[in-house]
Amino acid sequence: QKEVEQDPGPLSVPEGAIVSLNCTYSNSAFQYFMWYRQYSRKGPELLMYTYSSGNKEDGRFTAQVDKSSKYISLFIRDSQPSDSATYLCAMTANAGGTSYGKLTFGQGTILTVHP
Amino acid sequence: DTEVTQTPKHLVMGMTNKKSLKCEQHMGHRAMYWYKQKAKKPPELMFVYSYEKLSINESVPSRFSPECPNSSLLNLHLHALQPEDSALYLCASSQTGQEEKAFFGQGTRLTVV
Repeated sequence: QKEVEQDPGPLSVPEGAIVSLNCTYSNSAFQYFMWYRQYSRKGPELLMYTYSSGNKEDGRFTAQVDKSSKYISLFIRDSQPSDSATYLCAMTANAGGTSYGKLTFGQGTILTVHP
Repeated sequence: DTEVTQTPKHLVMGMTNKKSLKCEQHMGHRAMYWYKQKAKKPPELMFVYSYEKLSINESVPSRFSPECPNSSLLNLHLHALQPEDSALYLCASSQTGQEEKAFFGQGTRLTVV
């Protein structure tokens, strides 16, 4: 079993839809959670970062973390064609925990937003 | 400024060549990373430098040799690569070695012929 599981999709939605992307994890030492967006042939771009359970909002993006269920989500409101990309969840552990200093990625979800 | 700059953007090299990839950041970050990414896969960690010292080597073959000349620069020296080493090589940096809030460069697309 992978430490981080992410549905690879692909996911295709119409413009304006609400998109929900999810990851589950098994390592309880993970304390820092990130979402990256990666356009084709580009490096990953940090979208959201959080370290506590609950919601964090930034514009059209909301990151949600539930440590008790080991589940994180990214919601995209009013999706745009420019949101079409691969979305990667990533997480890392506290000092002293396993996977410390390593960013563990999900497999990535390919999202297409069509006009 | 959250920029990590990688050069070159593209590189084609033969199996007997020696080349280097370069990475630079001016965010004052003290940890820098090399990742390898194959098509449709997530990035895979290769090396971590923390405070200019190699802290993690993910059992990478010796034909890849990292170097951290100072806190802003990271190099990856390549020698006697194989065609299966063709990939996107990504550099990243973060404030500390915990790798939270890691910022990535645009990568070097390497083709080994």
